[in-house]
Amino acid sequence: QQQVKQSPQSLIVQKGGIPIINCAYENTAFDYFPWYQQFPGKGPALLIAIRPDVSEKKEGRFTISFNKSAKQFSLHIMDSQPGDSATYFCAADGGDTGRRALTFGSGTRLQVQP
Amino acid sequence: DTGVSQDPRHKITKRGQNVTFRCDPISEHNRLYWYRQTLGQGPEFLTYFQNEAQLEKSRLLSDRFSAERPKGSFSTLEIQRTEQGDSAMYLCASSPKTRGRGLTYNEQFFGPGTRLTVL
Repeated sequence: QQQVKQSPQSLIVQKGGIPIINCAYENTAFDYFPWYQQFPGKGPALLIAIRPDVSEKKEGRFTISFNKSAKQFSLHIMDSQPGDSATYFCAADGGDTGRRALTFGSGTRLQVQP
Repeated sequence: DTGVSQDPRHKITKRGQNVTFRCDPISEHNRLYWYRQTLGQGPEFLTYFQNEAQLEKSRLLSDRFSAERPKGSFSTLEIQRTEQGDSAMYLCASSPKTRGRGLTYNEQFFGPGTRLTVL
């Protein structure tokens, strides 16, 4: 119940394309869903996050779509750039009555070709 | 730099030795987390502090692992009698207690990590 399943494992797009990364969860106690970006040798950096009471959140070129009934959420990167090449992790938080640690997906390695 | 800092950034040790890592969280954050990340995987939760109290420990945290956060400031993670399977990136994260100043829920900010290699 604590798992967060992420796909695809890797993704290659051309500059300007819109990569989409998907995640699914089982535990309905999760109430906060952040996305992290990680470059090689660095710690994960918080990118954008969403709560289940909204279906979409946009910050700059990054958009999260959230489907509460399906227990799925996804990250879209608009007008992707070579500098977006990194590993992306979705995560989920247990909420006020759940565990306080983030449960992470297995990651998606994104390569944006020039 | 007001972010989370970790020291050392890299540690190479021989099997059976003890190692200790340090994490300095963002100064106003009272929650501190330790995670472990192996190659090609997402971070896995190890333990969590609120101020100086260790409130949760993962089953991944064997009895060879111990973490402290004296006075609710910096934290240390010690691994005794290291094994090759302990080789990983050890990440520290911190988050504020209250939801305010535009922060929502449990926003965790990660440090750069300590890369441990056990030979």
